[in-house]
Amino acid sequence: DQQVKQNSPSLSVQEGRISILNCDYTNSMFDYFLWYKKYPAEGPTFLISISSIKDKNEDGRFTVFLNKSAKHLSLHIVPSQPGDSAVYFCAASDGAGANNLFFGTGTRLTVIP
Amino acid sequence: GAGVSQSPRYKVAKRGQDVALRCDPISGHVSLFWYQQALGQGPEFLTYFQNEAQLDKSGLPSDRFFAERPEGSVSTLKIQRTQQEDSAVYLCASSLTLIRPTGELFFGEGSRLTVL
Repeated sequence: DQQVKQNSPSLSVQEGRISILNCDYTNSMFDYFLWYKKYPAEGPTFLISISSIKDKNEDGRFTVFLNKSAKHLSLHIVPSQPGDSAVYFCAASDGAGANNLFFGTGTRLTVIP
Repeated sequence: GAGVSQSPRYKVAKRGQDVALRCDPISGHVSLFWYQQALGQGPEFLTYFQNEAQLDKSGLPSDRFFAERPEGSVSTLKIQRTQQEDSAVYLCASSLTLIRPTGELFFGEGSRLTVL
């Protein structure tokens, strides 16, 4: 039972344009959300996070938006760069399970020069 | 190095063999996690240590899986009598404290296990 879903396995974007990666979740107890980025043959690296008390968090070119009523979050990358090409995982944790993260299946982003 | 180190990077085992996967977390990190990532899937939680204490092993798929962290640093994930469905990348991650409030886990490169 996948509690965190990334329905787009892949996304291609032109360099300089906006990349929007989407994530949906089913567990209303989730209150902390994270995005990880993964290059081939490397482990995932933390990118950005957001608490459920916020609806937006921004860090440079990366912004995460959270819509709790829709149980949806998105990661915006502006402007997209070829080095952003990677697999992006959405992850979530709940108040009781701080020792566990639930990951989505990932979206492979390709930024075309 | 300064990051999480895992070994071996690649392991091929015959069905029924026992395997041991090692994780060297970042020095001083209290929390250590093991995740299993099957092909085309996201990482799935296996187990969690806080120092040497295994506080959660709810994600271990069967009693063939065993993890330890005896001195609160290096951890070993052991899989006994491997089966083909055990083929996956096993990721180790560490964190200075609990996941929150920073939310950041530092992952190793993973150990890719292939069971023939």
